[in-house]
Amino acid sequence: SYELTQPPSVSVSPGQTANIACSGDGLGNKYASWYQQRPGHSPVVVIYEDTKRPSGIPERFSASNSGNTATLTISGTQAMDEADYYCQAWDSDTASYVFGTGTKVTVL
Amino acid sequence: QLQLQESGPGLMKPSETLSLTCSVSGGSISSSRYFWGWIRQPPGKGLEWIATFSSTGLTYYNPSLKSRLTISGDTSKNQYYLKLRSVTAADSAIYHCARHTIISAGPPRIDFLDSWGQGTLVTVSS
Repeated sequence: SYELTQPPSVSVSPGQTANIACSGDGLGNKYASWYQQRPGHSPVVVIYEDTKRPSGIPERFSASNSGNTATLTISGTQAMDEADYYCQAWDSDTASYVFGTGTKVTVL
Repeated sequence: QLQLQESGPGLMKPSETLSLTCSVSGGSISSSRYFWGWIRQPPGKGLEWIATFSSTGLTYYNPSLKSRLTISGDTSKNQYYLKLRSVTAADSAIYHCARHTIISAGPPRIDFLDSWGQGTLVTVSS
């Protein structure tokens, strides 16, 4: 089955940049989405179609996808960005959606 | 504004069949622009996609759960459903329903989960 791997945790100081990697075989040939989940809340999409931000998502959220890695970047990280982040993609070989293992972002 | 609301049994025993309902308001499950899915999350753990369907009859299942799953919908009630047979403690989780917005049905498939329900906790225990 297709797998997406993320680092369990990323720590960042307020105002600095956080990069969250999502690795999967040939991920650059698929389209990745990213979801933010704050404690006690349902996930919210912050990036879709590799690089696009839904309306209402701050410009400090950006992303890229190439090769075997998709990356979510949070620039000028704020305390409110502390959450779990999940990548997600569609695997056509198995006709299934796959979530990454998730990354906890801590703003120190 | 679209709202999705899950309903389920809460507590169940091993070997029983889990039946979940997602009630949709503010949008129609018969729209061809969207698919409708189920995702679960064991407490303190990550997200796991379970199943997705479209009103046109497409269904997709997590390969590791497929033998125990059925997803379906009722456009007259604007609801959709999930059945998971022979549950065990490993099926204990918060179950979310969510809408996929389809940009391209594919290939390539381009879509994302733009609206989620608050989730319903299901605990399997003897």
